[in-house]
Amino acid sequence: DVKVTQSSRYLVKRTGEKVFLECVQDMDHENMFWYRQDPGLGLRLIYFSYDVKMKEKGDIPEGYSVSREKKERFSLILESASTNQTSMYLCASSQQGRVGDEQFFGPGTRLTVL
Amino acid sequence: AQSVTQPDIHITVSEGASLELRCNYSYGATPYLFWYVQSPGQGLQLLLKYFSGDTLVQGIKGFEAEFKRSQSSFNLRKPSVHWSDAAEYFCAVGARTNAGKSTFGDGTTLTVKP
Repeated sequence: DVKVTQSSRYLVKRTGEKVFLECVQDMDHENMFWYRQDPGLGLRLIYFSYDVKMKEKGDIPEGYSVSREKKERFSLILESASTNQTSMYLCASSQQGRVGDEQFFGPGTRLTVL
Repeated sequence: AQSVTQPDIHITVSEGASLELRCNYSYGATPYLFWYVQSPGQGLQLLLKYFSGDTLVQGIKGFEAEFKRSQSSFNLRKPSVHWSDAAEYFCAVGARTNAGKSTFGDGTTLTVKP
């Protein structure tokens, strides 16, 4: 079974702190994604990566950065956390090049910024 | 650009009743289409997907969906709902040339009455 794990289920941080959210997948997938999920807004793509050290902005990259130094690990960084970044963050991975391949999701990290 | 609309934010059905969740997509060619389910506090899990062939697709947990190109729809159905089906359901469309990215709808929350 594909497993995508996220470092924390719940996280509470203060405004202005630098926040790291870690995601690890164990199926050698090329593609990895970070989404945020807010009520009524569905899933919005923050960043995705299709290879080590490669990244592309998604729909809402402002205030976020990412790092992918190893194939299995994709980190989301909030440079200076703000209260409007309080949200559920979901990581996903998928295999490149296969027709119709779906994304596999982690359990999510619920981040609260005070 | 691709997009997905789930017209129903919230649906309530009685246990044992039939279910249909609506999904309309916008995409210039034949898309990849997915339905995911998210149980409370969990990540998303794939229910089923369409990328070619038979337009009626069977998934896990007794769900099915039908791709109707003329209506740009991919509605999810289940003949008899169980209490454990209460969850949030997301329709997603993936472009065939988009490096594995998918666009998600805003989701439909299903409540099951006993």
